[in-house]
Amino acid sequence: NAGVTQTPKFRILKIGQSMTLQCTQDMNHNYMYWYRQDPGMGLKLIYYSVGAGITDKGEVPNGYNVSRSTTEDFPLRLELAAPSQTSVYFCASSMTSSYNEQFFGPGTRLTVL
Amino acid sequence: EDKVVQSPLSLVVHEGDTVTLNCSYEVTNFRSLLWYKQEKKAPTFLFMLTSSGIEKKSGRLSSILDKKELFSILNITATQTGDSAVYLCAGRGGSEKLVFGKGTKLTVNP
Repeated sequence: NAGVTQTPKFRILKIGQSMTLQCTQDMNHNYMYWYRQDPGMGLKLIYYSVGAGITDKGEVPNGYNVSRSTTEDFPLRLELAAPSQTSVYFCASSMTSSYNEQFFGPGTRLTVL
Repeated sequence: EDKVVQSPLSLVVHEGDTVTLNCSYEVTNFRSLLWYKQEKKAPTFLFMLTSSGIEKKSGRLSSILDKKELFSILNITATQTGDSAVYLCAGRGGSEKLVFGKGTKLTVNP
């Protein structure tokens, strides 16, 4: 199993550009999550999904959108990139919920100039 | 608002030392507390604690949860340079979301 994969690994965007960060898991996990991690900070939850077709906001959802059309994929969309969105983005998944650990992807380092 | 606070924020020790990392939490409908190790890339899972007073152990690492006092500690004995990393603590409540602390950056010098 590949686990949780993310693409791209790195990206530089100009202010106002759009992009989609891809996340795929092959563990048949129901729950998927998007986090951002700023330097010296912990992870902050952007959006999460408890199954295909169901998504909900996390702590810092402004400026982002998600969709979950399949169990495997959970893309994160930035519509109008801003310098404040410069961060490392991690996707994670877990089997069910409260009593399962989350498995993390390798991350995408995004810079907005 | 749910909150997780880790201390210290950074720590520098010598190989062979024993370290204790602290994590206090305020999480509504608390269900579990998780510890992760992050070495430049994605966090990797260490422990999940749900019951008070029961120690989880893996080699030189161990962790315990105190649900009455709302904290957890992560102990690392006989530290090695490979233990250098950021250690993240996260609390999970009834909403299925993990709330992370800022992490403790551990540096182990030879």
